[in-house]
Amino acid sequence: DTAVSQTPKYLVTQMGNDKSIKCEQNLGHDTMYWYKQDSKKFLKIMFSYNNKELIINETVPNRFSPKSPDKAHLNLHINSLELGDSAVYFCASSEYGTGTYEQYFGPGTRLTVT
Amino acid sequence: GENVEQHPSTLSVQEGDSAVIKCTYSDSASNYFPWYKQELGKGPQLIIDIRSNVGEKKDQRIAVTLNKTAKHFSLHITETQPEDSAVYFCAVRSSSNTGKLIFGQGTTLQVKP
Repeated sequence: DTAVSQTPKYLVTQMGNDKSIKCEQNLGHDTMYWYKQDSKKFLKIMFSYNNKELIINETVPNRFSPKSPDKAHLNLHINSLELGDSAVYFCASSEYGTGTYEQYFGPGTRLTVT
Repeated sequence: GENVEQHPSTLSVQEGDSAVIKCTYSDSASNYFPWYKQELGKGPQLIIDIRSNVGEKKDQRIAVTLNKTAKHFSLHITETQPEDSAVYFCAVRSSSNTGKLIFGQGTTLQVKP
């Protein structure tokens, strides 16, 4: 009964490759997010979707493209991977507009670019 | 844009002692202040939160205080236990209606048995 799940948990790939990370939530939430956590543990929002509509798009290279096929799924596709993309990527979800703001995080995907 | 500063970056205490982590923020319109705990190899998990119309909130051994005038809020953990060892993040919800959270830099808490 995992609330927010991500696949894969670990991803090791070479520079220049294209890879995707998948996220699914079974909480019935309307809003999903992607965060990047760097080697210093700093957590930064990348994107957010509400009911399949992009509502947050931070200053992220356009090699990163989120896709939300439905409100329970938010995938992250990364083109032409670079060394600096190595990080842990977290997916999260929350309700929207109801006053309940808690964000539920997935277990993370550790991406290593060599 | 909103800026959140968190201190200290590391904190080491003896089991049973108290731990305090402090955060300051810049946007006076912010209205929601959560604290997340991240254990090794896991995603952050909400442990307590406070809204701008409340000055203090307590849940067993953890409490959060908010000073809106000074734009700072703090996490207090009493009677610390080894299982409290983790990275703690404060966050501030942006005053925009996107639900965006801006996180502090994190505090690594070590509780020594």
